[in-house]
Amino acid sequence: GAVVSQHPSWVICKSGTSVKIECRSLDFQATTMFWYRQFPKQSLMLMATSNEGSKATYEQGVEKDKFLINHASLTLSTLTVTSAHPEDSSFYICSALSGRDREQFFGPGTRLTVL
Amino acid sequence: AQTVTQSQPEMSVQEAETVTLSCTYDTSESDYYLFWYKQPPSRQMILVIRQEAYKQQNATENRFSVNFQKAAKSFSLKISDSQLGDAAMYFCAYRIFPNNAGNMLTFGGGTRLMVKP
Repeated sequence: GAVVSQHPSWVICKSGTSVKIECRSLDFQATTMFWYRQFPKQSLMLMATSNEGSKATYEQGVEKDKFLINHASLTLSTLTVTSAHPEDSSFYICSALSGRDREQFFGPGTRLTVL
Repeated sequence: AQTVTQSQPEMSVQEAETVTLSCTYDTSESDYYLFWYKQPPSRQMILVIRQEAYKQQNATENRFSVNFQKAAKSFSLKISDSQLGDAAMYFCAYRIFPNNAGNMLTFGGGTRLMVKP
């Protein structure tokens, strides 16, 4: 099956710093990737849709200057949390869309803790 | 806008017994997909089962089956012969028939399933 990886799996940073999270489709090309945020004991909330070679589409209420998304290749999308604050602490999950059957395959997630 | 509702925040089942998780959704579309995802403590989202709305036959995957009632917009998941490894969060999700604009998943709030030995 299709595999999606995320790096890092867990990151702790100081308030005010920026953190980059990578999402890679390992055995397929993905023109579209999605970024989700999940708070404890809650559902996944779609943050943005990342399209290769074009600007990401952000969901209402998500600050695009705060959460920078770059989808520079068919196998890699990055989410950069700029000037992170404790309220940005969360679990971030990416998924990649398989071109063949339009199925979404999920990465294992990244736990971000901002001190 | 499409919405997905899971009315059971938590469910409990005895090992080897059967449990049914409920899901309802709201849409004006006629072609769409419905999914059940499992999220174990590792937090990795795992696709359990998928149903195409145009198919009348309920999807089945080993011990997992669905009861899809299109008119009622209901999509429940039945887990038979429950195992300890089934303990997880279960999310119901909806997606319109794939096209260039619509590939997003809409998730329900989730149901935490506990399995008692």
